[in-house]
Amino acid sequence: GAGVSQSPSNKVTEKGKDVELRCDPISGHTALYWYRQSLGQGLEFLIYFQGNSAPDKSGLPSDRFSAERTGGSVSTLTIQRTQQEDSAVYLCASSWTGLADNEQFFGPGTRLTVL
Amino acid sequence: AQTVTQSQPEMSVQEAETVTLSCTYDTSESDYYLFWYKQPPSRQMILVIRQEAYKQQNATENRFSVNFQKAAKSFSLKISDSQLGDAAMYFCAYRMLTFGGGTRLMVKP
Repeated sequence: GAGVSQSPSNKVTEKGKDVELRCDPISGHTALYWYRQSLGQGLEFLIYFQGNSAPDKSGLPSDRFSAERTGGSVSTLTIQRTQQEDSAVYLCASSWTGLADNEQFFGPGTRLTVL
Repeated sequence: AQTVTQSQPEMSVQEAETVTLSCTYDTSESDYYLFWYKQPPSRQMILVIRQEAYKQQNATENRFSVNFQKAAKSFSLKISDSQLGDAAMYFCAYRMLTFGGGTRLMVKP
């Protein structure tokens, strides 16, 4: 496809379960970003990848959160032992390079609800 | 740490009129980019406009323009001839790493 895609679009899980969120960036984009948007809030930067490496993991809120990117393309954000405060929309974005000043193209997000 | 503040949680404008959304930020850097993004109910973030800090000229994109005051660390967005399709959440961002809390814009017909 032409844009950034994310799956699933919605995920409901029980507290304590692990979840995986997937992001497919635009083909050729080397940089990939994950953000979290809590209800009625702005975006919170989580992590970004340049190729397969993650030079900046400073935004991950706890060690329950991890992310990987393989083949310089698809990325997976994993949340272990989910908590209710993890409920949010998780947005993925990609750009041509890893500079934070480049325009990023966003996916539609995954809405995570932890019961 | 950089911070971005949008002091107007909600704004309302009559169709065809002009509205200005405010944004202030804090940074010790001298060279950076600022962004305004629009988020309609579909959740898809869409770039509205981008400003390079070293450029004194204010960026414009059709009906959208910014008033960039570097010394005051202010970056407001002006929407002229407002249209119903402009209704959305608007987020100001510093270097795509730090976002403001957003302003919900309502457009009245």
